[in-house]
Amino acid sequence: GAVVSQHPSRVICKSGTSVKIECRSLDFQATTMFWYRQFPKQSLMLMATSNEGSKATYEQGVEKDKFLINHASLTLSTLTVTSAHPEDSSFYICSASPRTAYSPLHFGNGTRLTVT
Amino acid sequence: TQLLEQSPQFLSIQEGENLTVYCNSSSVFSSLQWYRQEPGEGPVLLVTVVTGGEVKKLKRLTFQFGDARKDSSLHITAAQPGDTGLYLCAGPNTNAGKSTFGDGTTLTVKP
Repeated sequence: GAVVSQHPSRVICKSGTSVKIECRSLDFQATTMFWYRQFPKQSLMLMATSNEGSKATYEQGVEKDKFLINHASLTLSTLTVTSAHPEDSSFYICSASPRTAYSPLHFGNGTRLTVT
Repeated sequence: TQLLEQSPQFLSIQEGENLTVYCNSSSVFSSLQWYRQEPGEGPVLLVTVVTGGEVKKLKRLTFQFGDARKDSSLHITAAQPGDTGLYLCAGPNTNAGKSTFGDGTTLTVKP
């Protein structure tokens, strides 16, 4: 149980375009989901906390107008990278938790974004 | 701020060797999780430790949670190339409603 699906797994886009990444909790409801960015051989860097039905909470230094987050239902959060530039190229991962006692995070398989 | 310090950051060993990865904090955590991540994929949960002093075994992997719930270790016996990956420890930061992650340990097991 506790499966998180992330789509797409890979995307290549041209500079200036926008890209949407979806994160779905398949067998549980998630009022909160998290979005991370990861550089090679480094740990996860939390970008924002996605809250169902309300605005996302962004970490310091993350541009909210650049990385738009929408959490319209209890099973879906989306991250849109707007006006993408080559420096936005990275591995983006989402996570969610069933929110039971001591419940760990469950992660999507990540999205490799390449901006040309 | 709850921080998790993970060591070593990089580890390269031969198949068959043993190794230990450490996850330390000055803060108390209600639980700690260990994840393994392979390149191009998301982290996969290995174990959650909850009770101070707890020891959990998962085949060749042994996880310990410190008595004071401030630290944890992961010991791998007779490492295999399939153990290669990024190992992450994480703990819930309940005040902030999110998790704190260690910096990760990149393990390479050479055949």
